[in-house]
Amino acid sequence: RKEVEQDPGPFNVPEGATVAFNCTYSNSASQSFFWYRQDCRKEPKLLMSVYSSGNEDGRFTAQLNRASQYISLLIRDSKLSDSATYLCVVNREADTGGFKTIFGAGTRLFVKA
Amino acid sequence: EAQVTQNPRYLITVTGKKLTVTCSQNMNHEYMSWYRQDPGLGLRQIYYSMNVEVTDKGDVPEGYKVSRKEKRNFPLILESPSPNQTSLYFCASSFGAVHTEAFFGQGTRLTVV
Repeated sequence: RKEVEQDPGPFNVPEGATVAFNCTYSNSASQSFFWYRQDCRKEPKLLMSVYSSGNEDGRFTAQLNRASQYISLLIRDSKLSDSATYLCVVNREADTGGFKTIFGAGTRLFVKA
Repeated sequence: EAQVTQNPRYLITVTGKKLTVTCSQNMNHEYMSWYRQDPGLGLRQIYYSMNVEVTDKGDVPEGYKVSRKEKRNFPLILESPSPNQTSLYFCASSFGAVHTEAFFGQGTRLTVV
């Protein structure tokens, strides 16, 4: 089982739809959580950090549930430009004392006109 | 302009021929990482560096070496490339190991024949 799991999709939604992505992580020692966006064959870019209190940035809302080890991303009023792969990312301390970064495999979103 | 620069962007090489992919950042970041991205597997961390002269293995370090002699540079070395190292490689840097945004280079597409 992967340490960070996401539904690979694809999610095909019409413009204006609301879409929700979920992510689960297995290591309870995970410390920080993010959603990144990756366009086809491009580098990932930070979409937003995720906090237990929940956070919102325009049409995007992220939520963390530490008890259930679950992270979510909600996109409201989808735009064509939201079409991309959304990556769930977790940081945690490594066995050797450093810090590792673990990516989910990504959820592909297609927004159609 | 703040950026992470990888070179080369594309490389086709033969099995066993040593190669180096360079990575340089101009943001004075302490934490740097290398990832490979393969279909269905997402980004997997190869090596990371917490600071100069401090490097550690990620999840898939076999067949790779790194060095961090200067803060800005973090080259990835393949001493004897094999076809299973054909992949899309990303370098990333961040101010710290956790709770901070990672900035990615544009990627290096490597093919080993």
